[in-house]
Amino acid sequence: EVQLVESGGGSVEPGGSLRLSCEASGFSFSHAWMSWVRQAPGKGLEWVGRIKSKTDRGTTDYAAPVKGRFTISRDDSRNTLYLQMNSLKIEDTAMYYCTWVGPTSYPFDYWGQGTLVTVSS
Amino acid sequence: DIQMSQSPSSLSASVGDRVTITCRASQSISNYLNWYQQKPGKAPKLLIYAASSLQSGVPSRFSGSGSGTDFTLSISSLQPEDFAVYYCQQSYSVPWTFGQGTKVEIK
Repeated sequence: EVQLVESGGGSVEPGGSLRLSCEASGFSFSHAWMSWVRQAPGKGLEWVGRIKSKTDRGTTDYAAPVKGRFTISRDDSRNTLYLQMNSLKIEDTAMYYCTWVGPTSYPFDYWGQGTLVTVSS
Repeated sequence: DIQMSQSPSSLSASVGDRVTITCRASQSISNYLNWYQQKPGKAPKLLIYAASSLQSGVPSRFSGSGSGTDFTLSISSLQPEDFAVYYCQQSYSVPWTFGQGTKVEIK
């Protein structure tokens, strides 16, 4: 069974940092492309960024609102995905979901339960 | 960036109704179009990928069609558990983008 379990969310002041983790199981994590998707309270879904597998050079891409502030990384030995968030803004307040990107048409095949990040003074 | 536009933003329907949601891309995305269902307080769930392929375990009353810029998600006979918000998403090019969502409510 595929499982994605996020952790690391919480409350932080504007300008602060937070690191989210996503522990994966039930599939070949090292071969998987992974992504983060967020959802502000009462709003729609927003793609944050993705990381390809090491065999695909581990390339990362980011959405414009987070580029230069957020960094996605992975530890294949721990089956864990990370999202390092720096210079946090109030508008980064959201539920953050870890997702497994499927092949073929790159859908978000599986989702974690999410971890809530609140940026507030 | 590719913009995704869904219509309607919300709809009211009865159990047993046929429901159709449309999604339009600002440029051609071939068949790189996926549909998700989200219920309150839950993570989204993949329903349809590559425009028309049914994700494993998803009931056959859900179907998707389209190519290029215009796509549809259909529910052939709405069930009580189908009341939710539905999102389309393009995976043709980064940044991957979502439609604004369609809320399906009980009439």
